[in-house]
Amino acid sequence: LAKTTQPISMDSYEGQEVNITCSHNNIATNDYITWYQQFPSQGPRFIIQGYKTKVTNEVASLFIPADRKSSTLSLPRVSLSDTAVYYCLVGDSPTSGTYKYIFGTGTRLKVLA
Amino acid sequence: GAVVSQHPSWVICKSGTSVKIECRSLDFQATTMFWYRQFPKQSLMLMATSNEGSKATYEQGVEKDKFLINHASLTLSTLTVTSAHPEDSSFYICSASSGQTGELFFGEGSRLTVL
Repeated sequence: LAKTTQPISMDSYEGQEVNITCSHNNIATNDYITWYQQFPSQGPRFIIQGYKTKVTNEVASLFIPADRKSSTLSLPRVSLSDTAVYYCLVGDSPTSGTYKYIFGTGTRLKVLA
Repeated sequence: GAVVSQHPSWVICKSGTSVKIECRSLDFQATTMFWYRQFPKQSLMLMATSNEGSKATYEQGVEKDKFLINHASLTLSTLTVTSAHPEDSSFYICSASSGQTGELFFGEGSRLTVL
C-alpha cells in the first residue's frame, strides 16, 4: 500500500486559502487519492476524492499533478470551524471491492481569528 | 448521504470484562466494513477488515482472540473487546462503503474506557 507523507501541522488565519500537500511516491495505477477531515472525538468525514488533474466540490479542490506522486488539498477562505485534522489516503476506490485505507499521520490545521 | 452508526458512543467498564461495539450501515448494504482504533493525538490504526459471512482479516499485531469481529449481516458488524484492560482504552471507529461511490463512510466512533 502506498504510504503518504503530510506536514504534521499548519496554522492559518480566517479567510485565507489553505493548501495542504501530501506526498505519495509509491502510488499505484489503480489508486485513488482521498482526503478526510476529522474533528476531536468524531469519525473522519469525506472531503474529496480524485484520480488525476483537478477535482472541485462545494467545500474543497484537489490538485493532482500528472505523475500523481503528490496531491494538494485546497480549502478556500477557511473559518475557525475548519480547525481539524486532515488525512490524505491512497488506495483503490471503494467501488473496486479490494480497497483498504491506511491512515498516515494527518495534518493538524489550526485556524486563528 | 450514506450513514454509518456506532453504538455505544462511549462505554466505561471494569478490567476483565468484555465489551461489544456495534457498527451499522443505516441505508445501504456493506459487504465489507473496517474497524480502526485511535489513541489520543494519534492517527487511526486499521485493526481488521470485516467481511460479511466470513472471518475477519486482521492487521499484523492485532490479536484476533482479543478483538472478536462478527459480520453477521450486510448492515451490521460487531467488535467485541474481550477481557478488556486499561491499555485497551481507546476510540474505536468503524467504516463501510456502499460500493456505489468512491466514498468510505465512517461511524461516529465509540470511546472505551477500561478502569
